[in-house]
Amino acid sequence: SYELTQPPSVSVSPGQTASITCSGDKLGDKYACWYQQKPGQSPVLVIYEDNRRPSGIPERFSGSNSGNTATLIISGTQAMDEADYYCQAWDTSTVIFGGGTNLTVL
Amino acid sequence: QVQVVQSGAEVKKPGASVKVSCKASGYTFTGYYMHWVRQAPGQGLEWMGWINPNTGGTKYAQKFQGWVTMTRDTSISTAYMELSRLKSDDTAVYYCARGQGSIGAPCDYWGQGTLVTVSS
Repeated sequence: SYELTQPPSVSVSPGQTASITCSGDKLGDKYACWYQQKPGQSPVLVIYEDNRRPSGIPERFSGSNSGNTATLIISGTQAMDEADYYCQAWDTSTVIFGGGTNLTVL
Repeated sequence: QVQVVQSGAEVKKPGASVKVSCKASGYTFTGYYMHWVRQAPGQGLEWMGWINPNTGGTKYAQKFQGWVTMTRDTSISTAYMELSRLKSDDTAVYYCARGQGSIGAPCDYWGQGTLVTVSS
């Protein structure tokens, strides 16, 4: 079965750029999307179709997807960006989530 | 505005079933898939399946086949997820989430989550 692999944790200093990766076999041939989840809250879509931002998502969130790796990039990271981030893709007609990455801003 | 509102928390005994509802508003219910995703305490997101509210067609994750049933009532714009033969490790927050379109689309609106606790 198809799998998506994320690092369990990433740390970044305020104002710096955070990169969170998501790896899967030929992931670049699929669309990847990303969700942000803060403690006690429902997930929020922050990137879809590899690099598109839904309305209301700050411009500092961007994405890329090529080869076997999709990447979520947060430029000028702020304290409010501290959260869990999940990548997601489709494998035929089923949805696959990555295991999630805890982003710490310190 | 688009809203997806779920039913309240449930406490069930092992072996019982639970049925969670998800009421949609602010958009055409039959035009968008509805997904169900669960999250055990301290764990990641686990996709359970989707339902096409227009046709009633479903696709379940292999793990949940024979164990989960997703239905809908278009007259009240509500989707349902029923999980049977509950075990303690089914304790989780269950989310419904609207698919932005159909197959291939991300989940753009999520419900508030329903905590299901399985305990004897």
